[in-house]
Amino acid sequence: GAGVSQSPSNKVTEKGKDVELRCDPISGHTALYWYRQSLGQGLEFLIYFQGNSAPDKSGLPSDRFSAERTGGSVSTLTIQRTQQEDSAVYLCASSLVRHGAANYGYTFGSGTRLTVV
Amino acid sequence: SQELEQSPQSLIVQEGKNLTINCTSSKTLYGLYWYKQKYGEGLIFLMMLQKGGEEKSHEKITAKLDEKKQQSSLHITASQPSHAGIYLCGADIAPYLYGGATNKLIFGTGTLLAVQP
Repeated sequence: GAGVSQSPSNKVTEKGKDVELRCDPISGHTALYWYRQSLGQGLEFLIYFQGNSAPDKSGLPSDRFSAERTGGSVSTLTIQRTQQEDSAVYLCASSLVRHGAANYGYTFGSGTRLTVV
Repeated sequence: SQELEQSPQSLIVQEGKNLTINCTSSKTLYGLYWYKQKYGEGLIFLMMLQKGGEEKSHEKITAKLDEKKQQSSLHITASQPSHAGIYLCGADIAPYLYGGATNKLIFGTGTLLAVQP
């Protein structure tokens, strides 16, 4: 597609349920990133993929969070046993550059707004 | 403390006035990116700065990078209501290209701009 696509755009879930958030990056972009944006907070880095591998998972808040990427394309962020503090906008971005984001920066999706009730 | 500080946190200006937003890093900057975000939407890329002293302009928005001070400024001339939104700076502080472990960008907490007609 022309841009980064995320689905669903909104998700309301009950505390304790599992959720899956999907990201379709721009075709050909090898790097994919997940960020979380909470009210009043900046963007919090979660995980970075280069191809299908994740060299940097340092931002995942707990073991309830996991992510995978298949075929060097679509990525899924899974949150198990959701808690109210997981409520946030989850943003996905992709980048063309393999070595360093210095040249092109990121293209962001519109995000998934997750509300845990 | 934040690795990337933005100031001010929020700003209200009268239409037609000029304004400046600052972004200061505690680490060496290998690239500095400015994004704009409207409520409920993803981040829109504005400009990328890589070299010390670099300055770029797009329409009425100008961004500069002071590499020595590890700081960037975003200046809007003759502000309009369409400029309203959240402005975020993102920094490349340890890209693969320079021996870092990851390509991730870190972000400031953002500056909320309101422009009164």
